[in-house]
Amino acid sequence: DAGITQSPRHKVTETGTPVTLRCHQTENHRYMYWYRQDPGHGLRLIHYSYGVKDTDKGEVSDGYSVSRSKTEDFLLTLESATSSQTSVYFCAISDHRGPPYNEQFFGPGTRLTVL
Amino acid sequence: EDKVVQSPLSLVVHEGDTVTLNCSYEVTNFRSLLWYKQEKKAPTFLFMLTSSGIEKKSGRLSSILDKKELFSILNITATQTGDSAVYLCALTGTQGGSEKLVFGKGTKLTVNP
Repeated sequence: DAGITQSPRHKVTETGTPVTLRCHQTENHRYMYWYRQDPGHGLRLIHYSYGVKDTDKGEVSDGYSVSRSKTEDFLLTLESATSSQTSVYFCAISDHRGPPYNEQFFGPGTRLTVL
Repeated sequence: EDKVVQSPLSLVVHEGDTVTLNCSYEVTNFRSLLWYKQEKKAPTFLFMLTSSGIEKKSGRLSSILDKKELFSILNITATQTGDSAVYLCALTGTQGGSEKLVFGKGTKLTVNP
């Protein structure tokens, strides 16, 4: 398995509080991604990073920010959590230096509940 | 906008049956189509299909890509209870960056003993 960890694995928080989720990789892959997975919607991309300090928005970026100060860490922050952000969050990594180029390896996920 | 539609959304079969999962897509400048398996945890990679590799096989699982008709199928023969999972189809095109995958909503497969 690719060396990807996510922390925390579970979190319950209250509406309006800030929350930061961490993704850590030991594969030295350039690309890192944050997804959320909800019933009826599948996996949706929140933000991604294509290098240190280089990030871009995905399909559902509103209410989320990210930071990547080191190759191995990609942080997802909910500045003021809302109940609509209750979800399972997955981090993924990929390495485009050779085929199959687009294969992404996923972390174990973080289950976030916003009350 | 790139789009992936999977069907059926759910499927219940008995052990030993053969199943076919469908994935149709719309994309600007197709690059690759990927299949993942998800069992109550993180998705795990199964296959990637590209213009130069339109058919893949691994054990009881196989997949083909039809670039003309814009679909892919995932076949599982002699199903086992361990095949029970959600199967995800994902697509990469060059519009909006080839680094991003667009996922379908998945097909939930249940294999009963």
